[in-house]
Amino acid sequence: AQSVTQLGSHVSVSEGALVLLRCNYSSSVPPYLFWYVQYPNQGLQLLLKYTTGATLVKGINGFEAEFKKSETSFHLTKPSAHMSDAAEYFCAVSYSGGYQKVTFGTGTKLQVIP
Amino acid sequence: EPEVTQTPSHQVTQMGQEVILRCVPISNHLYFYWYRQILGQKVEFLVSFYNNEISEKSEIFDDQFSVERPDGSNFTLKIRSTKLEDSAMYFCASREEGASGYTFGSGTRLTVV
Repeated sequence: AQSVTQLGSHVSVSEGALVLLRCNYSSSVPPYLFWYVQYPNQGLQLLLKYTTGATLVKGINGFEAEFKKSETSFHLTKPSAHMSDAAEYFCAVSYSGGYQKVTFGTGTKLQVIP
Repeated sequence: EPEVTQTPSHQVTQMGQEVILRCVPISNHLYFYWYRQILGQKVEFLVSFYNNEISEKSEIFDDQFSVERPDGSNFTLKIRSTKLEDSAMYFCASREEGASGYTFGSGTRLTVV
């Protein structure tokens, strides 16, 4: 069984401030972890993913996330928020092998204040 | 970059009508999926499809739903008799053998009235 918990359904940051979106996962097997972004009325765009290897993963648009097994976390960060980062962000978990069903978190809406 | 294509982007249908949502996965991908997102809620798994058969389905995917790969390129989701609560964004996704993670389409917004 696998699940994802995203802390905070809404996060507001000032433009230029650090973005930190929290994600904790539960998985009975080594997980694959993902962050997706969804802009209003659009589809899901993959920001970054962790499968194996380096635990600090860099993605598009300056985002990065660190896989911490001991904390079962995969928090998403960006040093300096831009207005264009305003969107909904979904953390997701899957696993290697098999059909790789993806389980999504409930999402965090990021608001960037000018 | 290869894309998963979904049509139509928005469909309005009357309650009780049948709808077919269409997807063209990436050509060399072998695993296919449907997910849905009810407005304001999280993205939920519906079904996975591999080797011309359903490999896994959720409890949401009841007898009203079916999937088909009618030819070498399309992957469809049919809802036989739509209900108001079927109104959602439906996402198709595909995955290459051995790959980690999918490519999602841009979705079809289904509105049942």
